[in-house]
Parts: sequence; C-alpha cells; structure tokens
Amino acid sequence: SQTIHQWPATLVQPVGSPLSLECTVEGTSNPNLYWYRQAAGRGLQLLFYSVGIGQISSEVPQNLSASRPQDRQFILSSKKLLLSDSGFYLCAWSEAGSIQYFGAGTRLSVL
Amino acid sequence: AQSVTQLGSHVSVSEGALVLLRCNYSSSVPPYLFWYVQYPNQGLQLLLKYTSAATLVKGINDFEAEFKKSETSFHLTKPSAHMSDAAEYFCAVTAGPDSSYYMIFGSGTRLLVRP
Repeated sequence: SQTIHQWPATLVQPVGSPLSLECTVEGTSNPNLYWYRQAAGRGLQLLFYSVGIGQISSEVPQNLSASRPQDRQFILSSKKLLLSDSGFYLCAWSEAGSIQYFGAGTRLSVL
Repeated sequence: AQSVTQLGSHVSVSEGALVLLRCNYSSSVPPYLFWYVQYPNQGLQLLLKYTSAATLVKGINDFEAEFKKSETSFHLTKPSAHMSDAAEYFCAVTAGPDSSYYMIFGSGTRLLVRP
C-alpha cells in the first residue's frame, strides 16, 4: 500500500533562517506531488505541484521554493524565513486525476 | 475556472442531531468533488468523493453527500452527530491543466458538537 511521510512534525525557526521540509511517498511510481500551506483559521493554499522529476509549478509567488530531486521526494525550501511563513504545511500525492492523499503535516513557527 | 464556497466557517450541533455542512462549487467542466476531514494538528483524510457516478455518495463514518448539478451543490450530511465528529471539514474540487489535477479547497467549516 502507499504511504506518505512528512517531516519534521513541528519546527520552530528564527526569522532569516533557512528552511527545508521533506516529503516522501512509498508504494507508487510517478505520483503527482503537492505542497499546501494552511494559515491559522484559513483554508488550504496550494503552493507548488509537480507532475514529474524536476518539474515544479508554482501557484503563489513568495519566499518559498520546491524541488523534486527524485520521483517520490518533494522538498519545500526557503533561504530566509519570514514571520508570515508560519503555518501548517501539508504535502500530498495523487495519481493523475485522482484522489489526493495527505501527509500528517508540519507545524512551522517562525519567531 | 473552478472554485468552491463553503457556507459557514463554524457549525454547532448537539450530539445526536443532524449534521449539514454546505458546499457550492463553480466549474466550467464536469467536476470531481471531495470532502475531507481534518482533526487538530493532523493531515486531511478523505471522507468521500464524487466522480460522475451516483449522485448520492456514501463515505466513512456514516457521512454522505449529494451532488446536485442544478444547484451546483455538494452538501455533506450525517444523520446523527457524535462527539468524535468535531473537526474541520473541507470541500474540494479538482482543477488544473493536463495531468496536474490539483485541488481547489473551500475555506473550511469547523464542526462543533455539543454534549
């Protein structure tokens, strides 16, 4: 069966520090991969999606970037965090045109 | 373009009462629609999906939703609320070019269940 792993579960970082959140999927090949952010009391905002290795589409221009170095690995990064980057980050995968399955999320607090 | 509107950011019901969470969509193509549930500090879990088969869709934990094209709605219902149903619920529609099919989510409805 397929599983999705996302880590770390929680992270506290100072303003201006770098960020790296990792997401991996097991049990499937060539999945679509997604990064969402959920700010406090708000819905989910799609940040990036990828339909293949090295293929990244950005939905919202901001202080973040994403990379897909391997088929089932999706990384969310920042060179310098802002206070506004705080939130709950969710990774998801799907087969094309199908249900999205979510990881457990990373709670990021930028202080 | 697709969009989703969830009416009511908070819904409060008594334990044992009917649960009704509203979702309206806009889509230029036949939509695929979904309901997800999120418990505190967790990811989203799929409750049910509509993918152009039966218009009444049954999901987990006795939830169901009915696709009504004429009303562009996909409301979520449950006959009898349990305390464990307290969570945030998201309606979503798929969108995107080619094979990306990313989801557009509503802003969420927090369900409160009173004892």
